[in-house]
Amino acid sequence: EAGVAQSPRYKIIEKRQSVAFWCNPISGHATLYWYQQILGQGPKLLIQFQNNGVVDDSQLPKDRFSAERLKGVDSTLKIQPAKLEDSAVYLCASSLDPQGLTQMYFGPGTRLLVL
Amino acid sequence: GENVEQHPSTLSVQEGDSAVIKCTYSDSASNYFPWYKQELGKGPQLIIDIRSNVGEKKDQRIAVTLNKTAKHFSLHITETQPEDSAVYFCAAMGHAGKSTFGDGTTLTVKP
Repeated sequence: EAGVAQSPRYKIIEKRQSVAFWCNPISGHATLYWYQQILGQGPKLLIQFQNNGVVDDSQLPKDRFSAERLKGVDSTLKIQPAKLEDSAVYLCASSLDPQGLTQMYFGPGTRLLVL
Repeated sequence: GENVEQHPSTLSVQEGDSAVIKCTYSDSASNYFPWYKQELGKGPQLIIDIRSNVGEKKDQRIAVTLNKTAKHFSLHITETQPEDSAVYFCAAMGHAGKSTFGDGTTLTVKP
């Protein structure tokens, strides 16, 4: 089966600019996650969707980050305006059903550098 | 919320030796414990997982043990090979499928 797709793979922007990332989960997976992975650290959950509804966004910096999942499939994560500390890898993951504690599948990530 | 601590942060072994990575968690409601391997430039990939009703699970050279009373779980890799070199993450999943990750262990297997 096709894996989780993400684009772009790399992005360099200046602080205060805006940026958007796109994710296409595995077909049929109800749950989609966005994680932020800072160099040398484990992934940190930003937002979790089940179908097109938000399950958890408690760690999303809502003053600058936004995410949506239209029609319960693809998702976009936006940062506006970006700060230097937003430099990280942004990982998208999907799973069949979180209530059943099923495996998460990660995409390759988008590497963001904010100058 | 959940807190996961992972040790050691770096581990270097000779090819053929065993490697052990340990994690502790804080939330007794967590009931699913996956381990991921992350290679450079790639996303984490699940290598083994264990659920709270099981104490040990093995898959060829990889095994995971879970002690729910003590809230810790460990990854064991036997007969290590150079291709095992990567960053390994543990995670604890609880309510509504939310996972909390450790900060990773960089494993280097020397030929």
